[in-house]
Amino acid sequence: EAGVAQSPRYKIIEKRQSVAFWCNPISGHATLYWYQQILGQGPKLLIQFQNNGVVDDSQLPKDRFSAERLKGVDSTLKIQPAKLEDSAVYLCASSSDGWRGRLNTEAFFGQGTRLTVV
Amino acid sequence: AQRVTQPEKLLSVFKGAPVELKCNYSYSGSPELFWYVQYSRQRLQLLLRHISRESIKGFTADLNKGETSFHLKKPFAQEEDSAMYYCALEGRGSTLGRLYFGRGTQLTVWP
Repeated sequence: EAGVAQSPRYKIIEKRQSVAFWCNPISGHATLYWYQQILGQGPKLLIQFQNNGVVDDSQLPKDRFSAERLKGVDSTLKIQPAKLEDSAVYLCASSSDGWRGRLNTEAFFGQGTRLTVV
Repeated sequence: AQRVTQPEKLLSVFKGAPVELKCNYSYSGSPELFWYVQYSRQRLQLLLRHISRESIKGFTADLNKGETSFHLKKPFAQEEDSAMYYCALEGRGSTLGRLYFGRGTQLTVWP
């Protein structure tokens, strides 16, 4: 099956600029996640969608980050304005039934977008 | 609060030697634990999950609730095992599906 697609692969912006990332999950996967991975750390969840609804955005810095998943398929993550500490790899992942109460659901990850804020 | 600790940032072994990547967790309840792996220039992917009790690519991991550990082991390391390994714990309830990752251990297997 086709994997999770993300674009762009790399992005360099100046601080205070805005940036957007796009994710296309595996077809049929209802649950979509955005993770932030800062260099030297493990991925940290920013937001979790169940179809087009937000399940968990407790770790999303809402003053500058926003995400949407219109029509319950593709998703975009936006940062406005960016700060130096936002430099990280942004990973999108999807799973088929993590929201149905079944545990041990495998998450499939995209290649990630490496953001550098200068 | 959920927490996953991988004490070793780097681990090097020679081919054919046993390898153990350590993972300790903090969780109130019965945890659901995973090991994810990222090979060079590839995406993060699931290696194994504790509930399935399977061996993948010769790796096994046993959940020890008394020591709150989920160490990953392989009796004879191969060069192709060189990768970044992440231990992860799955949330329950309102955070179902959410993964809490450790910082990762970079394994290098020398020829």
